[in-house]
Amino acid sequence: DTAVSQTPKYLVTQMGNDKSIKCEQNLGHDTMYWYKQDSKKFLKIMFSYNNKELIINETVPNRFSPKSPDKAHLNLHINSLELGDSAVYFCASTHGSTGRLGETQYFGPGTRLLVL
Amino acid sequence: KQEVTQIPAALSVPEGENLVLNCSFTDSAIYNLQWFRQDPGKGLTSLLLIQSSQREQTSGRLNASLDKSSGRSTLYIAASQPGDSATYLCAVDQTGANNLFFGTGTRLTVIP
Repeated sequence: DTAVSQTPKYLVTQMGNDKSIKCEQNLGHDTMYWYKQDSKKFLKIMFSYNNKELIINETVPNRFSPKSPDKAHLNLHINSLELGDSAVYFCASTHGSTGRLGETQYFGPGTRLLVL
Repeated sequence: KQEVTQIPAALSVPEGENLVLNCSFTDSAIYNLQWFRQDPGKGLTSLLLIQSSQREQTSGRLNASLDKSSGRSTLYIAASQPGDSATYLCAVDQTGANNLFFGTGTRLTVIP
């Protein structure tokens, strides 16, 4: 029973390509997040959606576009991939609206993106 | 801007030893602090969450403390086991920032 799942687990692609990473949670949570973990293991939030509505949009290139078809899914589409996009991307979810008030973040297993 | 630091970056201990991992943050205006575990090649697992009004939380062999005024948290692991080997991350949920700020982690190795 995977709570937060991501596909694919690994993604190797050429510079300039467009790719998508999918995330699904079966916890009935209202809020989902995308994080990027760089080579130094530093995690940084990219986006957050609450009930299909964008509530956090950190300073990321507009080549990155999240899509939330329903509150159980938050997909990440990346256009014109660059070498610097290589990282591990984590999806997460919380029950509440902003991850506060005692809300634990539940993370997916990560998607390892390598841009060649 | 909130900065979260974890020291040491790596730690090796023999099995059975008690150990403490440290996390410090620069802005004490936080809602809560979480400790996560990350296994190699895998995602993050939330271990403990401490509200800003709390001093500590316990789960099994884990005990996390929070001293908000000094900007510090510790994760105490009792009777360490090889299965505890992982990277441990702390993250603070900062007031007004609508974000989680993560430290860079401490990589723990428990030697059998």
